Amino acid sequence: KQEVTQIPAALSVPEGENLVLNCSFTDSAIYNLQWFRQDPGKGLTSLLLIQSSQREQTSGRLNASLDKSSGRSTLYIAASQPGDSATYLCAVKDGNTGKLIFGQGTTLQVKP
Amino acid sequence: GAVVSQHPSRVICKSGTSVKIECRSLDFQATTMFWYRQFPKQSLMLMATSNEGSKATYEQGVEKDKFLINHASLTLSTLTVTSAHPEDSSFYICSARETGTLIRTEAFFGQGTRLTVV
Repeated sequence: KQEVTQIPAALSVPEGENLVLNCSFTDSAIYNLQWFRQDPGKGLTSLLLIQSSQREQTSGRLNASLDKSSGRSTLYIAASQPGDSATYLCAVKDGNTGKLIFGQGTTLQVKP
Repeated sequence: GAVVSQHPSRVICKSGTSVKIECRSLDFQATTMFWYRQFPKQSLMLMATSNEGSKATYEQGVEKDKFLINHASLTLSTLTVTSAHPEDSSFYICSARETGTLIRTEAFFGQGTRLTVV
């Protein structure tokens, strides 16, 4: 059964710092991996989608990598801003079931 | 990107009553929609997969008579929480995948519904 783990659960950094969020999954049979942002009490905003054949995706200050063989992904945020404060969720589309399996999320706080 | 609209965004209901949540794909057709539940400070858990014109497929441990799903058209799926109790209070989110797209295609999420049962 696919399981997704995100470390750390919470992170607090000063504004301007570069940071890395980690995501690991137990079964390398995936269609893709997706990073989401969730603000308190709100829905999900898709940030980056990496297909299983890809190694990374970039969007602005965000860069996500995927190492399918080791079951790992990282989300790199450059020059963090207070507006980046949110919970970041990683999810894999399981290759056996087709279902989207979510991690527990990392709650990020960027202090001015 | 495609837009999924979820309504209502917040609802408070009395224990024992039923609540209906709507999920609409605004600019695309969705044969398949998904319903998730999120408890405070926890991740999203898939409740059921909704297929247009057929019965929903529920995940293990989800009561199908409690959480009624109807997907009568290619743009609308509804989740009805029947005889709601305080333990049903949660954040419910739907997502939809465009008809005819591959399984690896991105699904789009609604904004969620905060249900509070008092």
